[in-house]
Amino acid sequence: AQKITQTQPGMFVQEKEAVTLDCTYDTSDPSYGLFWYKQPSSGEMIFLIYQGSYDQQNATEGRYSLNFQKARKSANLVISASQLGDSAMYFCAMREAGMDSSYKLIFGSGTRLLVRP
Amino acid sequence: ETGVTQTPRHLVMGMTNKKSLKCEQHLGHNAMYWYKQSAKKPLELMFVYNFKEQTENNSVPSRFSPECPNSSHLFLHLHTLQPEDSALYLCASSQVISGVAKNIQYFGAGTRLSVL
Repeated sequence: AQKITQTQPGMFVQEKEAVTLDCTYDTSDPSYGLFWYKQPSSGEMIFLIYQGSYDQQNATEGRYSLNFQKARKSANLVISASQLGDSAMYFCAMREAGMDSSYKLIFGSGTRLLVRP
Repeated sequence: ETGVTQTPRHLVMGMTNKKSLKCEQHLGHNAMYWYKQSAKKPLELMFVYNFKEQTENNSVPSRFSPECPNSSHLFLHLHTLQPEDSALYLCASSQVISGVAKNIQYFGAGTRLSVL
């Protein structure tokens, strides 16, 4: 069964430093996608970055990069040069390509990141 | 991305009331979703609509009734709710392609519901 695990309920980082948020997953489908979302206190879930299981390179989007280690089934989010506005909940999610009858994303429990000035 | 709009943003209702949540997407997507987010719980998928057809109902109580009149609009009708139904209700949309894992869901800002 598919599963997403985020083991860090909360983290602190100093402004301008880099931070890594952990995510591990479990799936038997060889084709799958991994996603990271940010949820500020306002509530909206904001898509950050996507990694496909067959992608050869780690995904990057501006200050966000995804450290994809397929053999370890991990997809950690790295935020470089943290800003105060990065303080939020961060969710890792997964979808299997074989789930044609279901279009759902499986979400982890989230990590709350607090950036200190 | 501000292509998914939810109204109202906040709602307080009694257990005997009937209310509706509305979601509208301006992204031309073919699938829409309702999620429930309670405190200290992962996001829970409630309903999925693909091309206006409901494709998933995750054992949601009948006091929640979805409606998808067209591919751009999604409603969640609420009646005789319980206090434990108080949560943030999020709507999302995506463009689903069969057999492709990349299914980026874009979310609205949510409706924060309190049931008294």
